[in-house]
Amino acid sequence: NAGVTQTPKFQVLKTGQSMTLQCAQDMNHNSMYWYRQDPGMGLRLIYYSASEGTTDKGEVPNGYNVSRLNKREFSLRLESAAPSQTSVYFCASSEIAEETQYFGPGTRLLVL
Amino acid sequence: QQQVKQSPQSLIVQKGGIPIINCAYENTAFDYFPWYQQFPGKGPALLIAIRPDVSEKKEGRFTISFNKSAKQFSLHIMDSQPGDSATYFCAASMDSNYQLIWGAGTKLIIKP
Repeated sequence: NAGVTQTPKFQVLKTGQSMTLQCAQDMNHNSMYWYRQDPGMGLRLIYYSASEGTTDKGEVPNGYNVSRLNKREFSLRLESAAPSQTSVYFCASSEIAEETQYFGPGTRLLVL
Repeated sequence: QQQVKQSPQSLIVQKGGIPIINCAYENTAFDYFPWYQQFPGKGPALLIAIRPDVSEKKEGRFTISFNKSAKQFSLHIMDSQPGDSATYFCAASMDSNYQLIWGAGTKLIIKP
């Protein structure tokens, strides 16, 4: 039981490049989330998916897109990376909304 | 009104002491208040959570105190140990919108 897994662990991009962050959970959870964590700012929700087939914007969705591929997988795409998107990205899942969220180990992204 | 304000930003306590971390919120519709613990290089993990129908909740050495009238809640760690050194986040959410709103985090160091 791996919990929540994220790939890659670390990535360096040049401004304007695109990439997809992958997230998968093996806990049969319905809800999944993407956060970014910046120093001194806590975690900010980018997008979430309450259940398979639905996605909704969070607090900071601009510059990102998501896909809930199936119940297990929830990907985050940066179409044209900007230095302001340098951050640590966490994926999380929960059985239902407003229950305990289980986090992955994070992806450290540096945009030059 | 959506903010959760957390203090202090950092805290150093001697082993055996009782660190206290405070959070304040404005939105009276919040009805779920979790605390998460994060070790370096890891994702946050749920430590303890409380709902407004109780004023205190204990789990092992960790206690949440909740003051509904003051719109404040705090985390106390009894008999603190060096292994408790981590960043602690408070958060809040409401039934109608289950997005967690996070505090900025407190970096806690327990000195041996």
